[in-house]
Amino acid sequence: DADVTQTPRNRITKTGKRIMLECSQTKGHDRMYWYRQDPGLGLQLIYYSFDVKDINKGEISDGYSVSRQAQAKFSLSLESAIPNQTALYFCATMDWTGEAFFGQGTRLTVV
Amino acid sequence: DAKTTQPNSMESNEEEPVHLPCNHSTISGTDYIHWYRQLPSQGPEYVIHGLTSNVNNRMASLAIAEDRKSSTLILHRATLRDAAVYYCILRGGSNFGNEKLTFGTGTRLTIIP
Repeated sequence: DADVTQTPRNRITKTGKRIMLECSQTKGHDRMYWYRQDPGLGLQLIYYSFDVKDINKGEISDGYSVSRQAQAKFSLSLESAIPNQTALYFCATMDWTGEAFFGQGTRLTVV
Repeated sequence: DAKTTQPNSMESNEEEPVHLPCNHSTISGTDYIHWYRQLPSQGPEYVIHGLTSNVNNRMASLAIAEDRKSSTLILHRATLRDAAVYYCILRGGSNFGNEKLTFGTGTRLTIIP
């Protein structure tokens, strides 16, 4: 099993729908992150969390929210999906040395 | 956040060494230099990181300039599986709140058989 697991792997949703992307990890890391990647571009940080009760906005948090339900789980929600949120989404954890571990990604299409 | 500058793309022949440059002239004294790579259709993968001294691991070597304003990732013998986008990233290490990675657009490395 992967250390960082994202579900679903692919999702097509309609404009205006609420959608949740889930991330779970078995690394035991406190630090977790959500990134978005548009075609041909680098990753942009959406939200990050250093502990269960800690939530921080990243570069592009508008239109997104997150929930850190437990150390191992970090969910990303799109309250009302819009087409320009179509992208590849990555969850990641980071250990104490600064090494990050990424999930396989969720490909989201908003139509 | 301090920025990094990398060439958009590079090509190298298979089984030859590859030197991927990165400029980071505004690096602070506590910033770590990280390298990640992203293979097609996958999440980024950690390659190596360092602070001041050169570093080696099973994947690559990291050469850091004495003034720390630039660094070079060295793949000693490129294979086709090394074709990827390589990201040079500065990670703040001065306090806990800087523990995040800011990605640029990276260098797309093409390996020629």
